[in-house]
Amino acid sequence: EAGVTQFPSHSVIEKGQTVTLRCDPISGHDNLYWYRRVMGKEIKFLLHFVKESKQDESGMPNNRFLAERTGGTYSTLKVQPAELEDSGVYFCASSPPATGANVLTFGAGSRLTVL
Amino acid sequence: AQSVTQLGSHVSVSEGALVLLRCNYSSSVPPYLFWYVQYPNQGLQLLLKYTSAATLVKGINGFEAEFKKSETSFHLTKPSAHMSDAAEYFCAVSDLRGAQKLVFGQGTRLTINP
Repeated sequence: EAGVTQFPSHSVIEKGQTVTLRCDPISGHDNLYWYRRVMGKEIKFLLHFVKESKQDESGMPNNRFLAERTGGTYSTLKVQPAELEDSGVYFCASSPPATGANVLTFGAGSRLTVL
Repeated sequence: AQSVTQLGSHVSVSEGALVLLRCNYSSSVPPYLFWYVQYPNQGLQLLLKYTSAATLVKGINGFEAEFKKSETSFHLTKPSAHMSDAAEYFCAVSDLRGAQKLVFGQGTRLTINP
């Protein structure tokens, strides 16, 4: 089966621009998570979808970040406008129904560089 | 709140030597504990996990970890390092109740010297 797919793999933008990251979870995985790793720091939880509903968005840093999962399939994470501190690697992960975070499959990540 | 501390952001060992990566956790409830590995240009891959069964957990690629409640530790070991083990390793914790998100340590980059 296909794994979790993320794109772009790397994005370089100017401060103030907009970037949209996309995640395609494993087919049938209701749970979809976004995590972020800022340079040299720990990987931090951003939010969790169950199907199309946001279950927990307590990790979203501010209102410049908008995550959507229309139709409960793929998800997008938009950063608008991007700031320097948004640079890092954004990971997406998914898991089957009723399993939560204990059986996650991660994507390769999208590296965002804001200049 | 849960937290994870990985001692040593960089660890270097010789090929064939013992690998020991340290992880200590803080949790007010019985935890689930995980080790993930990230090879260059790849996603995070689960090495092993502790879910309140056996305290010694065996994972992929010859790695194992022992849950020690008294020491709040979950150190990762491998008896003999291979060049292919060079990667970044992450320890993580979740609680048994919600288990809806993981809390990660800062990661340890493992270098293998020939």
